[in-house]
Amino acid sequence: SSELTQDPDVSVALGQTVRITCQGDTLRIYYTSWYQQKPGRAPVLVFYGYNNRPSGIPDRFSGSSSGNTASLTITGAQAEDEAVYYCNSRDASGNPQVFGRGTKVTVL
Amino acid sequence: QVHLVESGGGVVQPGRSARLSCAASGFSFSSYGMFWVRQAPGKGLEWVAVISYDGGKTHYAESVKGRFIISRDDPKNTLYLQMSSLREEDTAVYYCAKVVAPLTGGNSAFVLDHWGEGTQVIVSS
Repeated sequence: SSELTQDPDVSVALGQTVRITCQGDTLRIYYTSWYQQKPGRAPVLVFYGYNNRPSGIPDRFSGSSSGNTASLTITGAQAEDEAVYYCNSRDASGNPQVFGRGTKVTVL
Repeated sequence: QVHLVESGGGVVQPGRSARLSCAASGFSFSSYGMFWVRQAPGKGLEWVAVISYDGGKTHYAESVKGRFIISRDDPKNTLYLQMSSLREEDTAVYYCAKVVAPLTGGNSAFVLDHWGEGTQVIVSS
C-alpha cells in the first residue's frame, strides 16, 4: 500500500503561520484531505481537495499541493488549533485510502 | 444536522466476536458510502472497512480481512461492523464516518466529513 509521510511534531508561536506537510507518491495523482484531532475527541475534517473548507472551519486553514507534497497552512495560529493533524488520500495501490501518521502542532 | 453514534464496544476476550453499530441521522443515509476507522491507544488513524452507498461493494484493510464484516441496514439508518476472531491488536477506538460526497463519491470517495464520537473496544483476557 501507499504511504503518506508527515513530520511528527511542529510548533508555532501564537498568531504566526505554520505549514504542515504530507508527502507521498499517491499525491501526484490524488488530492488530500486534512483532519484535526484534539485529545479524546473524534477527528474533524478541516480541508480537502484543491479549495474546500467545510462549513464552520475558520478561513485561517488553507491547503495546497505540488508534486508529491500537500500542505495545510494555518495563518495566524490560535491556541485552540493545538492538535494532531492527519492527512489522507486515495491509495494508489488500490486500497480506498491511506492516512499519514499525524503531525502534532503545538502553539507556543 | 448529521449525527453518527457508535455503540457495541466493551471488553472482549481474544478469539471472541463483537458487533459494533453506528446509528446515523440528519442526512440521506442510503446515498452515502460509509467507513469504519480505528485508532489504537496512542496511535494514528487506520481505516478498517468501507461500504458503498448501495451496499454492493465492500473493502477491508489487510489487518482485518477475513475477520471483520461491514454491512448496512438502510431502513434503520444503521451501519454495522461484525468483528470475529478478535486479537489484542484490535484494541482501539472505532469510529464510523460518512463520505463527503454522495453515491460513488467520485474523487472524494476517501474524504470523511462527519465522524461519530467513537466506541472503545478492548480485547483482553
